[in-house]
Order: sequence, then C-alpha cells, then structure tokens
Amino acid sequence: GESVGLHLPTLSVQEGDNSIINCAYSNSASDYFIWYKQESGKGPQFIIDIRSNMDKRQGQRVTVLLNKTVKHLSLQIAATQPGDSAVYFCAEIRMDSSYKLIFGSGTRLLVRP
Amino acid sequence: DGGITQSPKYLFRKEGQNVTLSCEQNLNHDAMYWYRQDPGQGLRLIYYSQIVNDFQKGDIAEGYSVSREKKESFPLTVTSAQKNPTAFYLCASRPGPPGNTIYFGEGSWLTVV
Repeated sequence: GESVGLHLPTLSVQEGDNSIINCAYSNSASDYFIWYKQESGKGPQFIIDIRSNMDKRQGQRVTVLLNKTVKHLSLQIAATQPGDSAVYFCAEIRMDSSYKLIFGSGTRLLVRP
Repeated sequence: DGGITQSPKYLFRKEGQNVTLSCEQNLNHDAMYWYRQDPGQGLRLIYYSQIVNDFQKGDIAEGYSVSREKKESFPLTVTSAQKNPTAFYLCASRPGPPGNTIYFGEGSWLTVV
C-alpha cells in the first residue's frame, strides 16, 4: 500500500559531522513533504518542508533533497550537535486527501560527543 | 503566547471509564487533527476536522470521539470501547490555504490503570 518509510531506524554520528537521514515514499502524486524532529516526551517540531516542484531547500544547518525519480527524500544536518539527538520523521501531505499527514516510522539520531 | 495547548499532560484512566483530552489553539487555524503515538512508533491519525462542526475519521477512529463546536477547540474523548488506550496523544493544527504545514502541541500521556 501507499506509505512513507525510512531506511535506517537508528543513526549514530560524531559531533561535528554531517548527518543524512533518508526517507522513501511510494505515492508519486504527493505534493508536499515535511521533516519533523521529536524529542523524548514532546510533540514533533517542524524542521523544514519542500514542495514536489522543488529538488532542494535549505534552512539553518539543514537541507532537504527531493528526488522524484526514485521517490526519495533526505534530510541533511550540517555540523551535528548534541542537541540534534532526537527522532526524525518525514511526512507526506496529499492535497487530494483532505490534507492528511502520513508519517514514516522515524529514525533515531544519536550524536556522540 | 500563540500555540497549541493540550491538557492534561498526564492522565490516568481506570478501565471502563471515558476520558476527554483537551486541545486548544489560538493560531486561527482552520484544520485540527488528533494523532496517537505508541512507544517507538510513528504517528497514526485518529480524527481530523477541516472546519467547525465537521470532522472525519482517520485510520484508527474506533473507540474515540471528537467534536468541533468552536474553531479553536477540538477535544478528543477516549471511550471505554478503546481496548488499548495507553499511548501518547498529539493534537495538531494547520492554517487554511495556502498554508500547508501542520504544527503540533506538546502531547498528552494517557495510562490505563
């Protein structure tokens, strides 16, 4: 069935290195994608979004890449810091589906000091 | 402060009881959502509402009920029919078009005792 999923459940990186979190989606008609960060016991926090008519979008220390050919989404975090340790979710909004937000299962990012 | 407020943060329920989780937003957002999150899992959609006095079932609506009598409020009732209600519940909201991003509250923990 249609889904948004992640390749790696846990990612461990050294502080200061760059992190790359990947996500695959199955619906080529998806219009809009969002990355969320969730710390333990808290609600998801918006990080960055990208529309389906874009390939790349940059924020502060984060970059989202969208490859529609292979239906792949990635989140790059530059100079990873201990405060970046959290679970990261990609999510997909299908505009023809009443704006339902479909989440992947999440990737836990662990930053080693 | 503007935002989404969920209450209570922690709630204990005896088996057979109904409980209601509150969600209030002062962002003037049109749409509101309820998600359930189990430990180590992603988010699953329970109910959503795009306008006042209207709401739709999500993927796991059985055992839950909602109302949307006011734009800023979207309470969720967990009924005794929900057989496994222990979870982390997240409320979210989204502005009307062209805004697409969905923002989350800080969540409510429900435990059945």
